[in-house]
This record gives sequence, C-alpha cells and structure tokens, in this order.
Amino acid sequence: GQNIDQPTEMTATEGAIVQINCTYQTSGFNGLFWYQQHAGEAPTFLSYNVLDGLEEKGRFSSFLSRSKGYSYLLLKELQMKDSASYLCALNSGGYNKLIFGAGTRLAVHP
Amino acid sequence: EAQVTQNPRYLITVTGKKLTVTCSQNMNHEYMSWYRQDPGLGLRQIYYSMNVEVTDKGDVPEGYKVSRKEKRNFPLILESPSPNQTSLYFCASKDPRDRGYNEQFFGPGTRLTVL
Repeated sequence: GQNIDQPTEMTATEGAIVQINCTYQTSGFNGLFWYQQHAGEAPTFLSYNVLDGLEEKGRFSSFLSRSKGYSYLLLKELQMKDSASYLCALNSGGYNKLIFGAGTRLAVHP
Repeated sequence: EAQVTQNPRYLITVTGKKLTVTCSQNMNHEYMSWYRQDPGLGLRQIYYSMNVEVTDKGDVPEGYKVSRKEKRNFPLILESPSPNQTSLYFCASKDPRDRGYNEQFFGPGTRLTVL
C-alpha cells in the first residue's frame, strides 16, 4: 500500500519563506505532484517531480528524494493569496491513479 | 476555454433518493476520474475511466456507479445515497500526452449533503 504524510497546518508571515514537507511509503510510483487548493475550490497544478532534485518555477520550488521517501514544496516571498491547502500526491498505478495526502493548510498573516 | 464542468455545484438530498452528478470536459481527454474529499482524509479516488466504455474502481467505489458512453461525459451515480456519502466531489480529466506530466485537470466540485 501507500501512505503519505504531511503536516496538517502551518502558519507563516507575508514575505517570508515556508517549506511544506511530504513523506511517503510506497512500493513504486511514477512521479510526485504538488497541488494548491483554496477553500471550496478545485485543486490546481503546481509542480511535478519525476527525478530526484529541485524543480523551480517562479516563487515555488519542489524537491524530491526517492531514496529518502521525501518531498518538499518551497514557497518564497509569501503573499496573502498563498493562504491555501497544499496537496502532495503520488502518481502511480501505470499513471492511472493519484494518491493524495490529506493536505497542509497554510495560513499567511501580515 | 478548456475546462471540466460539473453539475450541480451544490445538492442537498435525502437518504435513498437516486441522484446523478454530471461531469463534462471539452479537451478531448481519454482519461476521466471521480474523487471525493473529506476533512482529514484528502482526496480519494472513486472510479476512473481510461476511455469510452472502459471504467475501473478506485479506492472507495462502494455505493457509486459510473458510465462512460461518450468521451466528454463521465456521470457519477448514487443509486441509494446515504449520509456517509456527504462530501465534496471532484471530477478530473487528463491526457497523458500533454507535456508528459500526466497532470489532472479538476472540475469546480460538487458539494453533496445527504440527510
């Protein structure tokens, strides 16, 4: 089976940097997604890591270490609009399945 | 505009009254999927479909049915809804050929309450 762990809640200050961790146990997967979800809205794609290492995309970066079963999402220059839930998801089952963590609710305050 | 649409967006119903939540996508995607989202549990896959007339169970299929008669539509059917099916439901679609990311595009969600 697969198990994905993320912190339930985090808080951070506007303009700061925050790192959201995701650890997982799985027998195999194709890649790891990060999605952003504002309350009551649909998840939206942030990043996808297939290989180990850091993927940078503007203010957001995502890191994957397959050997350590670990990923993180790094958000820089935080803005109030970054207050949302961040979902870590494994892409598995021959690309047919997304297994989601429960999500981390990030609150950005002034 | 490329999108996934769901209807209705909100629904309050009673136990045992059959209902259908529709999902439609205009991106010609072969793959479509249904998820439910509950507090503390995250998104869980209910059913998915690789193509027309091809459907498979996800992690939590009990109490649900789906059909895929056309590529663009993937309705979710609750034959006899129960209160434990009160949840936020998302439909999603993807085309594996898009950027190789296998990114799933999500609909706006349907908030279902079963009394």
